Amino acid sequence: DIQMTQSPSSLSASVGDRVIITCRASQSIGSYLNWYQQKPGKAPKLLIYAASSLQSGVPSRFSGSGSGTDFTLTISSLQPEDFATYYCQQSYSIPWTFGQGTKVEVK
Amino acid sequence: QVQLMQSGAEVKKPGSSVKVSCKASGGTFSSYAISWVRQAPGQGLEWMGGIIPIFGTTNYAQKFQGRVTITADESTSTAYMELSSLRSEDTAVYYCAREATGGSNFFDYWGQGTLVTVSS
Repeated sequence: DIQMTQSPSSLSASVGDRVIITCRASQSIGSYLNWYQQKPGKAPKLLIYAASSLQSGVPSRFSGSGSGTDFTLTISSLQPEDFATYYCQQSYSIPWTFGQGTKVEVK
Repeated sequence: QVQLMQSGAEVKKPGSSVKVSCKASGGTFSSYAISWVRQAPGQGLEWMGGIIPIFGTTNYAQKFQGRVTITADESTSTAYMELSSLRSEDTAVYYCAREATGGSNFFDYWGQGTLVTVSS
């Protein structure tokens, strides 16, 4: 199975901050990498697919980059509604696997 | 607008089975894969397996092989996930999710989640 490792596991930030979350795959996965946001008690929400494609309706302050084994999710200017947990997910090979999550908290 | 509506919360005894349903509306059910993802309390997301209804083909994570069965009924646009030999570690919220493709396979629509509690 492909292991996905996110860093950091949590971070504290303020509204307006630029936030960067990284995700590393245990082997090359091309651009088969997706990002989700999850708020407490809610289902995950797709933000980015294929490493850098913004899902329809997702604000442009979210962006994704990377290929191979190293990927990043960037929030250019953190908004109050962005405090949540973020997960990366690989779809290069079954079983699809997720990172352990990065919790973005209020500083 | 695609919606996935899951069945309600369940409380089960260890050793028993649970079957969760996921009814799709607002889209073309058969031509998309439906996956099941679970989340134990305070933990991350774990893919269990999926089905492509139009073909009836399934894939399962090795961890759940032999214990999970995913099926789909095209006539009612409903997918099912049955997990057997339940143990306390199976206590989790179970989500169904539609799997779309576009340079990657990704989950673009999710059900609201079904809490399964395994307790004696």
